[in-house]
Amino acid sequence: DQQVKQNSPSLSVQEGRISILNCDYTNSMFDYFLWYKKYPAEGPTFLISISSIKDKNEDGRFTVFLNKSAKHLSLHIVPSQPGDSAVYFCAASARSGGSNYKLTFGKGTLLTVNP
Amino acid sequence: KAGVTQTPRYLIKTRGQQVTLSCSPISGHRSVSWYQQTPGQGLQFLFEYFSETQRNKGNFPGRFSGRQFSNSRSEMNVSTLELGDSALYLCASSLGQVTNEQFFGPGTRLTVL
Repeated sequence: DQQVKQNSPSLSVQEGRISILNCDYTNSMFDYFLWYKKYPAEGPTFLISISSIKDKNEDGRFTVFLNKSAKHLSLHIVPSQPGDSAVYFCAASARSGGSNYKLTFGKGTLLTVNP
Repeated sequence: KAGVTQTPRYLIKTRGQQVTLSCSPISGHRSVSWYQQTPGQGLQFLFEYFSETQRNKGNFPGRFSGRQFSNSRSEMNVSTLELGDSALYLCASSLGQVTNEQFFGPGTRLTVL
């Protein structure tokens, strides 16, 4: 039972344009969402997060949007740079239930930014 | 501040053997979580330790076990290895409170032949 779904295994974008990565979840207990970036041969690196009390969080070129009614979140990268090419994982946790320690991940989306 | 370190980085074992992986968290971090990454299943939570106690557990068979030492270093053990155990095993550390982020190590690539 995939509680966090990233339905696009890959995405290709031109440098300078916007990258939009999508994520859907099914567990209504999830109240905290994170995006991680992963390069080959390295562990995931935390990128940005959002609490369920917000619908948007911005950090530089990265913005995460949360639509609780649709159980959907998206990561926007503007402008996209070749160094952004990596696998992006969406993750969720149920902090109010004390289960922040357990992150449930999607299967990832490979983003390729072409020069 | 040094990051999360995992040893060894690569490991090759045969079916039926057992393996122990090690994780040293960031200094001051008391929580260590373990994840398994495979191409088909993505990243899956194994278990989390805090102050030497297992605090949370994922849906893996009993062949997967772990422990944490008083210095917060953690080990993960897999007994009676199966071909399907071939994966990247990732460790993540945090300060241990609900609001703290997790920081991942580079992982141990285990290949079971």
